[in-house]
Amino acid sequence: SAVISQKPSRDICQRGTSLTIQCQVDSQVTMMFWYRQQPGQSLTLIATANQGSEATYESGFVIDKFPISRPNLTFSTLTVSNMSPEDSSIYLCSVGRGLDYGYTFGSGTRLTVV
Amino acid sequence: AQTVTQSQPEMSVQEAETVTLSCTYDTSESDYYLFWYKQPPSRQMILVIRQEAYKQQNATENRFSVNFQKAAKSFSLKISDSQLGDAAMYFCAYRSARDDKIIFGKGTRLHILP
Repeated sequence: SAVISQKPSRDICQRGTSLTIQCQVDSQVTMMFWYRQQPGQSLTLIATANQGSEATYESGFVIDKFPISRPNLTFSTLTVSNMSPEDSSIYLCSVGRGLDYGYTFGSGTRLTVV
Repeated sequence: AQTVTQSQPEMSVQEAETVTLSCTYDTSESDYYLFWYKQPPSRQMILVIRQEAYKQQNATENRFSVNFQKAAKSFSLKISDSQLGDAAMYFCAYRSARDDKIIFGKGTRLHILP
């Protein structure tokens, strides 16, 4: 299965600022997914990122707050904009490698907004 | 819309014993995939086991096995010979065959007692 490198692993940010999270995959994948995991909670899908088109956002998530780039088939970024303490979460990227393999996840970015 | 329910927020099991984690799901679809993911304190999401809905035979992976009851929409995970390294958060997940999004349950935190 794919290997994903996600950066940064953690960060502490001031409210009102933005943070860009990067995911690099060791092979080409069609779709990449971005999830948020709030403290003690399950994973919630933020958006699906396809190469060459705009990301598709889930209900409750908007592009202005979580802009996503997908410049090629191995890389994607998620930006958390104008952060508030409520954005403190773990953010994970994920790729699918065919229906039989479930999904592979990055190691996550633990974001704390102060 | 599909939903995944894990009714046990926490469970404990003695080392070397067997434990079963429960999961139910709701869907109107006939073709889908079910997964159990493990998230240890490192927060890395690890695929434990997967089941294709069209397969009647329950999936097994070493000490991990599932009891898949399609009519009852139940998908429980059995861990045999529990080990200290099994301590983690376990998420049940559903994926439709029509799209690539995974829906997660709220998770069950498993404690292993030495």
